Amino acid sequence: DTGVSQNPRHKITKRGQNVTFRCDPISEHNRLYWYRQTLGQGPEFLTYFQNEAQLEKSRLLSDRFSAERPKGSFSTLEIQRTEQGDSAMYLCASSFPPLADPSTDTQYFGPGTRLTVL
Amino acid sequence: AQKVTQAQTEISVVEKEDVTLDCVYETRDTTYYLFWYKQPPSGELVFLIRRNSFDEQNEISGRYSWNFQKSTSSFNFTITASQVVDSAVYFCALSEGSNAGNMLTFGGGTRLMVKP
Repeated sequence: DTGVSQNPRHKITKRGQNVTFRCDPISEHNRLYWYRQTLGQGPEFLTYFQNEAQLEKSRLLSDRFSAERPKGSFSTLEIQRTEQGDSAMYLCASSFPPLADPSTDTQYFGPGTRLTVL
Repeated sequence: AQKVTQAQTEISVVEKEDVTLDCVYETRDTTYYLFWYKQPPSGELVFLIRRNSFDEQNEISGRYSWNFQKSTSSFNFTITASQVVDSAVYFCALSEGSNAGNMLTFGGGTRLMVKP
């Protein structure tokens, strides 16, 4: 069983450019999450999907950020007009909450995409 | 609002020493879940354990053990006989509500360095 995969692993861009990241969850996982981690800090929640529905968004997710999961499988996170403050590791996680016992749900993380905005 | 505090930003030990990583949390919910994740230098967060707010039993898994105390809102993690491979950043996290898959609130992490 392959884990969560993210592409690209590294992205360097100039301020003002748009970037898009992709996340492929573990097969059959219906929940998909995005987090952002800046250097020396813990990850911060951005948003999550259940199937194709985006159920929750953090106030950290400004208008320049948009996430999609059109077919309930992979997800993309786009940042428009990047700023230097967007430089961070963007982490994706997925989970499959068992209907019988959602208390056993666990998020499994991918390797992340490290974004550097020059 | 929920909050997780890991007061120790960095700990350095010599191999075979025992080490405890502290985690203190704040929540108004009566149902919540606590987690520990390990982030090795490769960067990928690795799940270690999940506990729910109704289960205060301590847990042991090999050299790892966890102590959950609701009275002090703490969920501490102990590594016995540490090894160099334990070197990593360790994060404590909290999710509120009856579904353990709700958004995670992470602490700032503790960097553990185990020297040979």
